[in-house]
Amino acid sequence: DTGVSQDPRHKITKRGQNVTFRCDPISEHNRLYWYRQTLGQGPEFLTYFQNEAQLEKSRLLSDRFSAERPKGSFSTLEIQRTEQGDSAMYLCASSLARADSSGNTIYFGEGSWLTVV
Amino acid sequence: AQRVTQPEKLLSVFKGAPVELKCNYSYSGSPELFWYVQYSRQRLQLLLRHISRESIKGFTADLNKGETSFHLKKPFAQEEDSAMYYCALSPGGRALTFGSGTRLQVQP
Repeated sequence: DTGVSQDPRHKITKRGQNVTFRCDPISEHNRLYWYRQTLGQGPEFLTYFQNEAQLEKSRLLSDRFSAERPKGSFSTLEIQRTEQGDSAMYLCASSLARADSSGNTIYFGEGSWLTVV
Repeated sequence: AQRVTQPEKLLSVFKGAPVELKCNYSYSGSPELFWYVQYSRQRLQLLLRHISRESIKGFTADLNKGETSFHLKKPFAQEEDSAMYYCALSPGGRALTFGSGTRLQVQP
């Protein structure tokens, strides 16, 4: 297992186009997270899944953003009608949540760079 | 809502000098605190967590609930410690909230 993988690694798109990112978590990890990171900032939480259920969404996640994890394995993050402000690194991460909710180690992917021109 | 503050964007020290990366948090409950590190051209990875009370690569961090701090320390910095360091908080095992990060530069 090579860890969390994300595709594509880089995407340049024109304003107004839709883009989709894919994340493959570490096998058997039941939690999957999406974060966004811009230059000079730490990762900002967007949403997370436990298995196929989307448990939490940040207020940062506008209506143009949608995430799915249909079979509880890989996930997609789609951004519709992209804007220049969407330019950022989109990070995926996964973890194996324990019943007592303690001590999860979250493993990150290398991220997908989005540039909206 | 929880918040993590890292007041220094850049910390530059000489090799062999002590290092302290500051982290303060605000959260009404009992948080889990973490330090993540990102070396050049590598992915973000866990350095240490407060519940483990362990030392990783010579780094330690103590949770001070009175001061709501979780500063990262190392007595003698090495050049290979140069990286971005992020403090993060998990409220009740949920998703991490990160600080804005501190770049540590260890000069020879």
